[in-house]
Amino acid sequence: TQLLEQSPQFLSIQEGENLTVYCNSSSVFSSLQWYRQEPGEGPVLLVTVVTGGEVKKLKRLTFQFGDARKDSSLHITAAQPGDTGLYLCAGKHSGNTPLVFGKGTRLSVIA
Amino acid sequence: NAGVTQTPKFQVLKTGQSMTLQCAQDMNHNSMYWYRQDPGMGLRLIYYSASEGTTDKGEVPNGYNVSRLNKREFSLRLESAAPSQTSVYFCASRAGQVRQETQYFGPGTRLLVL
Repeated sequence: TQLLEQSPQFLSIQEGENLTVYCNSSSVFSSLQWYRQEPGEGPVLLVTVVTGGEVKKLKRLTFQFGDARKDSSLHITAAQPGDTGLYLCAGKHSGNTPLVFGKGTRLSVIA
Repeated sequence: NAGVTQTPKFQVLKTGQSMTLQCAQDMNHNSMYWYRQDPGMGLRLIYYSASEGTTDKGEVPNGYNVSRLNKREFSLRLESAAPSQTSVYFCASRAGQVRQETQYFGPGTRLLVL
């Protein structure tokens, strides 16, 4: 059962544009993570958010955890072709329960 | 450090054949995981091992078995492969405390079952 819904599923934009990817759930998570996966490779962790309302920035990427800890967003400013990849959100409910992954958003940035 | 390594990288099987996917990590992590990734389905957990000597079922365990051979190695076995098991398989290990954990993934094994 997929408890994390990501939208949009696919996104194709021009270099320099801004975009936002969403990760939503009806469940409360103790923490939420974003991973990026490039073709032929495994996912790589970008960020972890643990506090409701928390905002973290990683260069041109801004991550936000919802106040109720049920949702998160990833905003990319001035997208570049190097941002192309599959973006996955993953949530942890509590303790040692395994991560639950969303289905991902496949981003393509065209030069 | 090599991180998480997986073998083989590619494999083609016929229906009913068996095989074992190997995974090893050199980061001294306690927890290890096996996922499968199918188009449009994200990552789904097959089995995991919270520590050496323990294994637990994930979301999609049917048709698979696992062995946590030692702290470094966690293998996934398909006893009788089926076309529905065609997928990309990722092994991962976990570092850090519970709310600040990081999962490190291997490069994946691409499996085709005919």
